[in-house]
Formats: sequence, structure tokens, C-alpha cells
Amino acid sequence: DTEVTQTPKHLVMGMTNKKSLKCEQHMGHRAMYWYKQKAKKPPELMFVYSYEKLSINESVPSRFSPECPNSSLLNLHLHALQPEDSALYLCASSLGQGSYEQYFGPGTRLTVT
Amino acid sequence: GESVGLHLPTLSVQEGDNSIINCAYSNSASDYFIWYKQESGKGPQFIIDIRSNMDKRQGQRVTVLLNKTVKHLSLQIAATQPGDSAVYFCAERSNQFYFGTGTSLTVIP
Repeated sequence: DTEVTQTPKHLVMGMTNKKSLKCEQHMGHRAMYWYKQKAKKPPELMFVYSYEKLSINESVPSRFSPECPNSSLLNLHLHALQPEDSALYLCASSLGQGSYEQYFGPGTRLTVT
Repeated sequence: GESVGLHLPTLSVQEGDNSIINCAYSNSASDYFIWYKQESGKGPQFIIDIRSNMDKRQGQRVTVLLNKTVKHLSLQIAATQPGDSAVYFCAERSNQFYFGTGTSLTVIP
């Protein structure tokens, strides 16, 4: 299994809502990542988890809250988002942090209204 | 983030021709580079990688060239096919991966 899955595929939420994005991999990878990608732009790193611990937070606003319940799962909790947070949110995993090929999921297309 | 840029934002090639996509990077400490392909509505897909101790690496129909002197990376696609139409990103690794701007490749049948 060389797949990273993400749910939901699409999400529309209001600025007062609370929602969560989910990511799962069963490749035994110990590093997992959240990226944000705006249209026609490259992915921008948000968070890195290594061995289920947060190792990098790229100065992401606190309305985005990551969680890594176990080595296969990665969540991104969303609260009080702004319309400019609308983007494609990509999850990725790799064998180790930063040193290996990253496998990307298909992303969640988020629209904040 | 680091400065990783691409020379051309768009590229159109005739089917069957070879494609060359270029990338400049600024961090001489970067030791690992990846080319990704991203099709519409999908996540980036690994194409090929190269470590900084190499100048060239070949895969199936793809070749990556690394010139550390001028901090330049290129992706060559042989016999380009319509299925190669996508946005291509280079990414460099220093302390983390940073993506370049992206080049949109369109293959003309």
C-alpha cells in the first residue's frame, strides 16, 4: 500500500464552524506533513510531525491545529477560518523527516465562506 | 522559506518532442532535490530525485541534471506525451523541503 488518503475531498465551511481534515497512511512512514496550496502556486509547508511529535510549525496561525493520534493518522483541526484560508490542503508522508521521498495525498479542497 | 524558482511559468511542446523544464535554487546547502508532477485536482506525484553528490540521474523517459556551480536543476522528458501535461515543481531540501514556483507543461497533439 503506497497510498496516502485524505478525507473529505471537498469541504465548505463558514467562518464560525469547526471542522477537521483527516489523513491516513499505512506505509510505516514516521514523518507526516501538512501543506497548503493556493491556486497556481506551489505547496507551502505548514506542519511536520516526526514520530508522532510536532517538529516543525511554519508560523501557522492558531486557527489551524494539527494532531497526530498515531503513526498512521494525521488530523488538521480548523476553527474560525478566514476566506483567505480557502485552498487545497495536502497531506504527505515520508519514511523519515525531510530526507526521503514524500508521498502526497490527493488533498482536501477547502472553501471558507 | 528558501528561494527556489523556475525560469519559465509555461511551456508548450509538440507531442513526441523532448521537454526541458528548468529550476534555479538559492541555497547552496541544499543536498537533495525532487521533481514532482501535479495534475489538475491531484496531489504532487514524485517523478525523480537527485542528491547533491550527483550531476545526473535517469529514469524512465526522464532525466534530471544538477549543476551545483550555478545552482540549477533541470528535468528532461523524452518523447513527450499528452499524459505529461501537468504542472511540474522542483523541490529542494535544506532543513525542509521547499517547492519552486512551478511550470505548466502543455503537450500539443
